[in-house]
Amino acid sequence: DIQMTQSPSTLSASVGDRVTITCRASQSISSWLAWYQQKPGKTPKFLIYKASSLESGVPSRFSGSGSGTEFTLTISSLQPDDFATYYCQQYSSYPLTFGGGTKVEIK
Amino acid sequence: EVQLVESGGGLVQAGGSLRLSCAASGFTFGSYWMNWVRQAPGKGLEWVANIKQDGSEQFYVDSVKGRFTISRDNAKNSLYLQINSLRAEDTAVFYCARARGGRSYGTVPFDYWGQGALVTVSS
Repeated sequence: DIQMTQSPSTLSASVGDRVTITCRASQSISSWLAWYQQKPGKTPKFLIYKASSLESGVPSRFSGSGSGTEFTLTISSLQPDDFATYYCQQYSSYPLTFGGGTKVEIK
Repeated sequence: EVQLVESGGGLVQAGGSLRLSCAASGFTFGSYWMNWVRQAPGKGLEWVANIKQDGSEQFYVDSVKGRFTISRDNAKNSLYLQINSLRAEDTAVFYCARARGGRSYGTVPFDYWGQGALVTVSS
């Protein structure tokens, strides 16, 4: 199975900050990586696919990069609506696996 | 508007069974792979299983093989998850999720998610 490791597990930031979350795969997954946002008590929201392609309707302050085993999700200017937990997911092979999540909280 | 609505969750004793349902609307259900994803209380997301458009292929995470069965009824626009031999560690919110893009393969991300159904297993 491909293990996905996210860092940090928690991140404290202020509105307007640039935020970067890292996701590492235990083996190469090419660019078969997605990112999701989940707020407390809510359903996950799909943000990015193929490592860097923004899903329709997702604000342009979100961006993704990387390939192989190392990936990043960047929020260029953190907004109040962005405080949430973010998960990466590999879909290169079965079983489909998620990272442990990164909680972005208010500093 | 795409909608996925899960039902069938509840409190079950360890060793018991449950059948979750997911009612889909707003898209051509039979054209998409569909998934179940679970989330234990306070924990992260775990993919559980998926099923091809015509039901001819299913894949499972190892921890549920032999206990969980995914199925679908395209005439009823419905997805199901039969859960047997429930264990305390199966306690979770179970989400129904659509595989993005209507591909012929299931290794794709999930673009729409339901609100989830809570399954609580008591020991």
